[in-house]
Amino acid sequence: SQTIHQWPATLVQPVGSPLSLECTVEGTSNPNLYWYRQAAGRGLQLLFYSVGIGQISSEVPQNLSASRPQDRQFILSSKKLLLSDSGFYLCAWRAKGGLGNTIYFGEGSWLTVV
Amino acid sequence: AQSVSQHNHHVILSEAASLELGCNYSYGGTVNLFWYVQYPGQHLQLLLKYFSGDPLVKGIKGFEAEFIKSKFSFNLRKPSVQWSDTAEYFCAVRGSQGNLIFGKGTKLSVKP
Repeated sequence: SQTIHQWPATLVQPVGSPLSLECTVEGTSNPNLYWYRQAAGRGLQLLFYSVGIGQISSEVPQNLSASRPQDRQFILSSKKLLLSDSGFYLCAWRAKGGLGNTIYFGEGSWLTVV
Repeated sequence: AQSVSQHNHHVILSEAASLELGCNYSYGGTVNLFWYVQYPGQHLQLLLKYFSGDPLVKGIKGFEAEFIKSKFSFNLRKPSVQWSDTAEYFCAVRGSQGNLIFGKGTKLSVKP
């Protein structure tokens, strides 16, 4: 069966420090991958999506970047965190083959920038 | 651009009360609509989805939602809530890239 793992689960980082959140998917190949952020009172916002290795699309301009070095690995990064980067980050995947496929979410990562 | 609006930020109900959470979307084409739920400390998980056909969709745990095209709505309902339904509920519409566009979520608190 397919599973998705995301880590770390929580982290507290000072302003100006770097960030790396990692997500891996098991049990499937060539998935579409997504990074979402849930900021307080603002719902879930799509940050990046990827349809393949090295292919990243950004939905909103921001202080973050994403990379997909391997088929089932999706990394969210920042060189210098801002206070506004605080939030709950969710990785998700969807099998290709039709828009009808369900999107599955990871456990999420709580980021607090202080 | 597509968007989703959820009218209630926080709903508080007693057990056995009926539930209806509002969701409106803006998109003129064919829509795929979803309700997700996030129980405290757990993954976001799918409650139900609508793609086509019968506009009344039944999901897990006794939830249902009705797609009303003329009102651009996809409200979530449950006849009788339980304490275990306490969670945050998200309405979403499928975006053009296969991603989901979410509403801001509605927190449901059920008093035992």
